[in-house]
Amino acid sequence: NAGVTQTPKFRVLKTGQSMTLLCAQDMNHEYMYWYRQDPGMGLRLIHYSVGEGTTAKGEVPDGYNVSRLKKQNFLLGLESAAPSQTSVYFCASSFGSGGATDTQYFGPGTRLTVL
Amino acid sequence: AQSVTQLGSHVSVSEGALVLLRCNYSSSVPPYLFWYVQYPNQGLQLLLKYTSAATLVKGINGFEAEFKKSETSFHLTKPSAHMSDAAEYFCAVTVNTNAGKSTFGDGTTLTVKP
Repeated sequence: NAGVTQTPKFRVLKTGQSMTLLCAQDMNHEYMYWYRQDPGMGLRLIHYSVGEGTTAKGEVPDGYNVSRLKKQNFLLGLESAAPSQTSVYFCASSFGSGGATDTQYFGPGTRLTVL
Repeated sequence: AQSVTQLGSHVSVSEGALVLLRCNYSSSVPPYLFWYVQYPNQGLQLLLKYTSAATLVKGINGFEAEFKKSETSFHLTKPSAHMSDAAEYFCAVTVNTNAGKSTFGDGTTLTVKP
């Protein structure tokens, strides 16, 4: 099993450009999450999904959109990138059946720089 | 809403010394608590978790943590540090009413000196 994979690993954008980050998991997990990690601020939840076709806002959703058309994939989009979106982005997934006790499995991250 | 506070953004110990990383939580409902470790340029991976079955939880790599409700704490310990323990450690809390969403602390970077 590959677990959770993220594409791309690195990306540099100019202000105003758009891009999509892809997260894929092969563990048949129901729940998927997108986080951003900034120095000294831990992980902050951007958006999450509790099943195919569903999405919901997290703590810091502004400037991002997501889609979960297939159970195994969770896409994060930036429509008009801003320097404040420079960060490391992590995708995670969990079974969902255990709810709050489920372990989250993380991808290796995408390092995004917006100039 | 739930929250966690990790005391000390940087902790430095000598190889072979006790490791103690502190985590305090706040929650109005029973919490579930996690410790994750992040090695450089990698994603987070689970060290251990408290799910109300036992207050002393043992995890991977010799780490353990004790849930203390009276102190609202879930500190992470390891009796003897190894160089390979150098990493960033995150405490996280979830509750049953929150669709499995975790709230993470700001992280503690552990340095191990030879």
